[in-house]
Amino acid sequence: DQQVKQNSPSLSVQEGRISILNCDYTNSMFDYFLWYKKYPAEGPTFLISISSIKDKNEDGRFTVFLNKSAKHLSLHIVPSQPGDSAVYFCAASEIGYGNKLVFGAGTILRVKS
Amino acid sequence: NAGVMQNPRHLVRRRGQEARLRCSPMKGHSHVYWYRQLPEEGLKFMVYLQKENIIDESGMPKERFSAEFPKEGPSILRIQQVVRGDSAAYFCASSRDWDRGETQYFGPGTRLLVL
Repeated sequence: DQQVKQNSPSLSVQEGRISILNCDYTNSMFDYFLWYKKYPAEGPTFLISISSIKDKNEDGRFTVFLNKSAKHLSLHIVPSQPGDSAVYFCAASEIGYGNKLVFGAGTILRVKS
Repeated sequence: NAGVMQNPRHLVRRRGQEARLRCSPMKGHSHVYWYRQLPEEGLKFMVYLQKENIIDESGMPKERFSAEFPKEGPSILRIQQVVRGDSAAYFCASSRDWDRGETQYFGPGTRLLVL
């Protein structure tokens, strides 16, 4: 039972363009969402998060959008850089469950120069 | 200013042996989480510990797996009588507090291979 789904296994984008990574969730009790980036042979690195009381959070080149009615969130990276090439994981946590994170399967982003 | 440390980075065991994975949290962090990543999948929560206490072990298999976070020393994830299906990357994360606004910082992982 996948509660957090990243339906695109991979995405290829030209350097300088926008990368849009998508994530859907099924558990309506999730109220905190995060994006992590992971390079091969390393652990995930926190990128950005958003609480369900917001619909947008921005940090430099990274913006996360949350659509609660659609149970959908997206990560926008603009402009994309070759160093952004990595696996991106969407994660969520549920109220009352502390800091336990539920992860999607990840999307491989390749930024071509 | 060391991050989360995990060792060993790679571990090879034969079926039936024991695997011990160690995690030292970031300085000042007293909350530790263990996650497992199977090939082609996302990370799956296993257990959440504070010093000397297991807070949530809902993701831990009922048999052969155990975890501890003693007052002194690293957190240990122990897998007894390993089977091939235990082959995975095991990641530890730590946070300063339990609140969901507190970022979890991940270690580099231990890659377990069971022959």
